Amino acid sequence: DQQVKQNSPSLSVQEGRISILNCDYTNSMFDYFLWYKKYPAEGPTFLISISSIKDKNEDGRFTVFLNKSAKHLSLHIVPSQPGDSAVYFCAASAYYGGSQGNLIFGKGTKLSVKP
Amino acid sequence: DAGITQSPRHKVTETGTPVTLRCHQTENHRYMYWYRQDPGHGLRLIHYSYGVKDTDKGEVSDGYSVSRSKTEDFLLTLESATSSQTSVYFCAIGASGTSSYEQYFGPGTRLTVT
Repeated sequence: DQQVKQNSPSLSVQEGRISILNCDYTNSMFDYFLWYKKYPAEGPTFLISISSIKDKNEDGRFTVFLNKSAKHLSLHIVPSQPGDSAVYFCAASAYYGGSQGNLIFGKGTKLSVKP
Repeated sequence: DAGITQSPRHKVTETGTPVTLRCHQTENHRYMYWYRQDPGHGLRLIHYSYGVKDTDKGEVSDGYSVSRSKTEDFLLTLESATSSQTSVYFCAIGASGTSSYEQYFGPGTRLTVT
C-alpha cells in the first residue's frame, strides 16, 4: 500500500521551460513533505521542503506547492536547466506521539531537460 | 555536504556469505538510517537507529541486522546474502530536536550478490 505516489516515472522538458513534478499521498497524518534530487551513482540530496501549515515554499528556481484537501504536492522548476536532469523523489513524514516519524518515499520521477 | 561516508562503495559477494556495510558520520546526529534503492521501488527503509544501541526495523528489514555501538557508526549486516539483496544501499543521518525531518544521505554502496 503506497502512501506516497509519484505516478509519472519520467518527464521530458525543454531547457528554459517549466518542469512540474507531481506527488500524491494517502496518509492524512503526514505533516512535512520533502523533495530530494538524485544523480546517478550519488546519494539523494535534499532540495526543498514544506510544512503542512503552508501551501507554498520557494527557494530560487524551485517552488513546492501543497494542496492538503487533494493530498497533492508538486515541485515546480523554473526555468529548467540541463543540470536539473536527475531523479526526483517526493517524501513525507508525520509526527507521532512526541517523536519524528520516518520518511516515506515515492518511487521517483526521472526528469530530462533537453537543451 | 554532510559528513557521511559509506564503505565499501562497491562489493561483489556470493550467495550465502555474510556482508557488513559501514556508515560513518562526523555530524554527531542522533538518527541514522539504512535504505535500499531498487528500480521501480524508490527508497525503502531497512533499519534505523535513534541513539547508541537503540535500533528499530523499517519496511524491509527481513534478512538484515544492524548495530550501533558509537554515535558515529551504523553497521548493516546481511547474515547470509541472497540474490534478492543485490541493490544500492544508502545510509542517511538526521538531527533530532528540530522541527524538520530532513535527512542527509551518504554516497551509497552498490552490492551485487552472485
